[in-house]
Amino acid sequence: GEDVEQSLFLSVREGDSSVINCTYTDSSSTYLYWYKQEPGAGLQLLTYIFSNMDMKQDQRLTVLLNKKDKHLSLRIADTQTGDSAIYFCAESRNTGGFKTIFGAGTRLFVKA
Amino acid sequence: GAVVSQHPSRVICKSGTSVKIECRSLDFQATTMFWYRQFPKQSLMLMATSNEGSKATYEQGVEKDKFLINHASLTLSTLTVTSAHPEDSSFYICSAIRGDEQYFGPGTRLTVT
Repeated sequence: GEDVEQSLFLSVREGDSSVINCTYTDSSSTYLYWYKQEPGAGLQLLTYIFSNMDMKQDQRLTVLLNKKDKHLSLRIADTQTGDSAIYFCAESRNTGGFKTIFGAGTRLFVKA
Repeated sequence: GAVVSQHPSRVICKSGTSVKIECRSLDFQATTMFWYRQFPKQSLMLMATSNEGSKATYEQGVEKDKFLINHASLTLSTLTVTSAHPEDSSFYICSAIRGDEQYFGPGTRLTVT
């Protein structure tokens, strides 16, 4: 199958860490992405990880990949109100053509 | 970072008319661009893959005669919604590939009255 699943909602307090989880089913995925979408806007690429990596850190963002369990997470440290948005997990593969499969998105709500 | 633009950002049209949406890669050349559709509170649905200089590849269930795609240059792909109906109202997003990364446009909100 081609499913990518995420929890639909997460609420955190400002200053806390947020962890958004994602599971996928296709073991041939080459890259896994996290995108941010603010209301009425397109998708902004936050970060991505190659499938042979376990972790990637970029400022406040930490991506963890457990390839055995096909589990991906995005940790946002010191979450701010400006981080409130929908976060999409996506997997892509480039075999016979580039294709990206998206999760349904996790709505992050940050309380001041 | 790479920038992908879309025009218009919002469009309202009457039933039966056609609407063209442009997708441009502003600082890189893209041989492949993608068109997605997003329904409210849902994820993105890939409609088609736009290939420069050749025909687009449509996903199953997407009518190629209704959603015309033209990728005439390495920086421009267009999506034309022909004979639009209210059920075509949606948020349309394009993306372009540069290296290993996929960059998205800001989206076009189409409302068909």
